[in-house]
Amino acid sequence: DSGVTQTPKHLITATGQRVTLRCSPRSGDLSVYWYQQSLDQGLQFLIQYYNGEERAKGNILERFSAQQFPDLHSELNLSSLELGDSALYFCASSVDSYTDTQYFGPGTRLTVL
Amino acid sequence: QQQVKQSPQSLIVQKGGISIINCAYENTAFDYFPWYQQFPGKGPALLIAIRPDVSEKKEGRFTISFNKSAKQFSLHIMDSQPGDSATYFCAGGTSYGKLTFGQGTILTVHP
Repeated sequence: DSGVTQTPKHLITATGQRVTLRCSPRSGDLSVYWYQQSLDQGLQFLIQYYNGEERAKGNILERFSAQQFPDLHSELNLSSLELGDSALYFCASSVDSYTDTQYFGPGTRLTVL
Repeated sequence: QQQVKQSPQSLIVQKGGISIINCAYENTAFDYFPWYQQFPGKGPALLIAIRPDVSEKKEGRFTISFNKSAKQFSLHIMDSQPGDSATYFCAGGTSYGKLTFGQGTILTVHP
């Protein structure tokens, strides 16, 4: 158990809908990262937050957005969902943005029908 | 643009054998090279990592070899065990923590 929690574990929704994925980092970790894992694209970095501020952006679509709250939990919002958004979404956390070890949560499996 | 190329895609070894997975990177800004292990239904977990100022790092049965001039690094698993069967990802990282992953290698260790 990495100490990173993600909810929900599974999410099934329809095209065009909007969903919110939630992540609680390990106690003491200030940095949160979101990754998307799919069969064709592998593990892709989406976005990083550090202590409430956006620090780095990767291959995140404009339909996706994220934020980190004062209690350090983070949410990833996915809107206007398409079939191709079906994937595993992982959250990871680390102590700070300069600390290398990222601890991954168990993931949220999103299925868009 | 894929910045970390990983091979092979899949690997089958016998128990007790050596498993070798290779990665090559393009981004010279990478200064941290971790390997992650992922079991089905679980998130990736850090296995071992290396900085570019050393050429080799060993932790138990796991060794990373790093060749900065060739921009390549590899994972060696000695005395491979069935419990090592998993998907392995190499990655390149920068100081802000963003990781760029390879495509993964599915390792199967036969008893």
